[in-house]
Amino acid sequence: AQSVTQPDIHITVSEGASLELRCNYSYGATPYLFWYVQSPGQGLQLLLKYFSGDTLVQGIKGFEAEFKRSQSSFNLRKPSVHWSDAAEYFCAVGADRGSTLGRLYFGRGTQLTVWP
Amino acid sequence: DADVTQTPRNRITKTGKRIMLECSQTKGHDRMYWYRQDPGLGLRLIYYSFDVKDINKGEISDGYSVSRQAQAKFSLSLESAIPNQTALYFCATSDFVSSRDEQFFGPGTRLTVL
Repeated sequence: AQSVTQPDIHITVSEGASLELRCNYSYGATPYLFWYVQSPGQGLQLLLKYFSGDTLVQGIKGFEAEFKRSQSSFNLRKPSVHWSDAAEYFCAVGADRGSTLGRLYFGRGTQLTVWP
Repeated sequence: DADVTQTPRNRITKTGKRIMLECSQTKGHDRMYWYRQDPGLGLRLIYYSFDVKDINKGEISDGYSVSRQAQAKFSLSLESAIPNQTALYFCATSDFVSSRDEQFFGPGTRLTVL
């Protein structure tokens, strides 16, 4: 089955600084990859997704992520963080075939704190 | 109006009580899911359903049961609640054909078992 590792439990950045959140996945075939954001007291909102094609994907709120098959990674980036980006971020992987088709496997999340 | 709704939004109950959490969706999706979220553990899948006649166990189904009453409704039951079932519960829906199983989440139900 698939799995996802988000190595950073908590990251703190200053407002205006750049951001990179790491995500590594385990899956033998072509993965579907997602980044979700959860603001305090809210549900999960999709930031961006990768299915195929261009390995650099653009999402909402100025976020982007790059799929690197050789590194099994799908890191999330933002050039300049805003205070409103403070939230918890989840990476997820899904399958394009097999017994786990239709399921998503989530990482444990990275909590982002933004200093003014 | 929200596409995926969950009721109740908050519930406090006592050990041993039976609890039902309900999820409804207007997205027309066939696939529905129940997750629980605990701090530091991310989202863990409890049960999922690909259509009304298809129910599958997820990673942590012990102590839970589900019912898919219609395409749009998927309920989660705790037959005899225990304190370690205190968590935030999310319902989600997806459709493989239109969105490759991108999942759309409800607002969550915060359950406290005393």
